[in-house]
Amino acid sequence: DGGITQSPKYLFRKEGQNVTLSCEQNLNHDAMYWYRQDPGQGLRLIYYSQIVNDFQKGDIAEGYSVSREKKESFPLTVTSAQKNPTAFYLCASTSHEAGSTDTQYFGPGTRLTVL
Amino acid sequence: AQKITQTQPGMFVQEKEAVTLDCTYDTSDPSYGLFWYKQPSSGEMIFLIYQGSYDQQNATEGRYSLNFQKARKSANLVISASQLGDSAMYFCAMREINTNAGKSTFGDGTTLTVKP
Repeated sequence: DGGITQSPKYLFRKEGQNVTLSCEQNLNHDAMYWYRQDPGQGLRLIYYSQIVNDFQKGDIAEGYSVSREKKESFPLTVTSAQKNPTAFYLCASTSHEAGSTDTQYFGPGTRLTVL
Repeated sequence: AQKITQTQPGMFVQEKEAVTLDCTYDTSDPSYGLFWYKQPSSGEMIFLIYQGSYDQQNATEGRYSLNFQKARKSANLVISASQLGDSAMYFCAMREINTNAGKSTFGDGTTLTVKP
């Protein structure tokens, strides 16, 4: 089955610890995205990557880092510098092939709680 | 200015009736795409429907249709014959092709509750 997987589904972290959220896709999509969602609110873009070995900051990149060493994978690290990391994190991917509508498809999300 | 505005934080609809969820957008890019997503309580974002700025006809996907009024910059989602399983949060999103580095912008969402 093609799709996007995120792990873990739930993650608990102590203050001051870095934590890495996994995102993998087997859709052969070029671009990948990380969003943060707070309760009852919309999505805010953290980082995105249009091609391997390249990524750009989104609207709320402070306290986060990413890498894109493989087309299939786009892990997000929430660092101790992120002041309020408790949130729901969604990963998405999209194809930029000619004729594509650039629809973003999402993984199931990771719910991060800082204790 | 907000690029995507969803003015209805919450909506109620009776089962089997139709409901319209509002979305207005703001862009000067002539090429853009508009998307609607459904987010049930489990959290996953489910793609529902897409409308391109140059599409002449309103998009339809099963019970979902998009009422696209380009001059008014509105892209309302119409759900016909509502079902209990339609209860969820709904997000409108826009992707500008030539500006905004190809990023998508999401609205704040509308929570839809379908009553039996």
